[in-house]
Amino acid sequence: DTGVSQDPRHKITKRGQNVTFRCDPISEHNRLYWYRQTLGQGPEFLTYFQNEAQLEKSRLLSDRFSAERPKGSFSTLEIQRTEQGDSAMYLCASSKQGVVNEQFFGPGTRLTVL
Amino acid sequence: AQSVSQHNHHVILSEAASLELGCNYSYGGTVNLFWYVQYPGQHLQLLLKYFSGDPLVKGIKGFEAEFIKSKFSFNLRKPSVQWSDTAEYFCAVNTGNTGKLIFGQGTTLQVKP
Repeated sequence: DTGVSQDPRHKITKRGQNVTFRCDPISEHNRLYWYRQTLGQGPEFLTYFQNEAQLEKSRLLSDRFSAERPKGSFSTLEIQRTEQGDSAMYLCASSKQGVVNEQFFGPGTRLTVL
Repeated sequence: AQSVSQHNHHVILSEAASLELGCNYSYGGTVNLFWYVQYPGQHLQLLLKYFSGDPLVKGIKGFEAEFIKSKFSFNLRKPSVQWSDTAEYFCAVNTGNTGKLIFGQGTTLQVKP
């Protein structure tokens, strides 16, 4: 049973650098979500895709963040010019389209910006 | 704006004690409700969910939750906790019109053996 996978699991970068994270959803899932979680808080929605279409973006997502899902399979999340406030766990989840929106989460990528 | 509030941030119980974690949401329309659990070192896993029908839902590992529409609540319960229930618990809501989940801030449960 292959679940949602994310790469890398950990990323340490210096302020001002660009980083890119990858998410591979469960193969038959056509919806893919990105969330951000900081210590002591619940996950916070960033954006989601249905197939290759990005259907919603959080207003919290600054212009430095961009996400793609070019062929409707894996997705990438890029953060440009990272800031210390970007340090967080970035979670990816996937689900099947439908009334029952049960999302399955990956292990996350922990980003530390020095 | 939609929001989810979990009343207890940190709960400490002894094994065999009963558990109830509160969750309230703010949204007047149709909602789908979830409880997720995150065990130490593991990723978020679905514990149980409510979409429609019987407001008392049963999940894995003996957990249950009751949807009370008039109170906008979806409290999680377990009659007798075990040390292995030590984890962080998140309540989440999806309003059905969007794909996104709105999470509460989480409750850390520590069960003492």
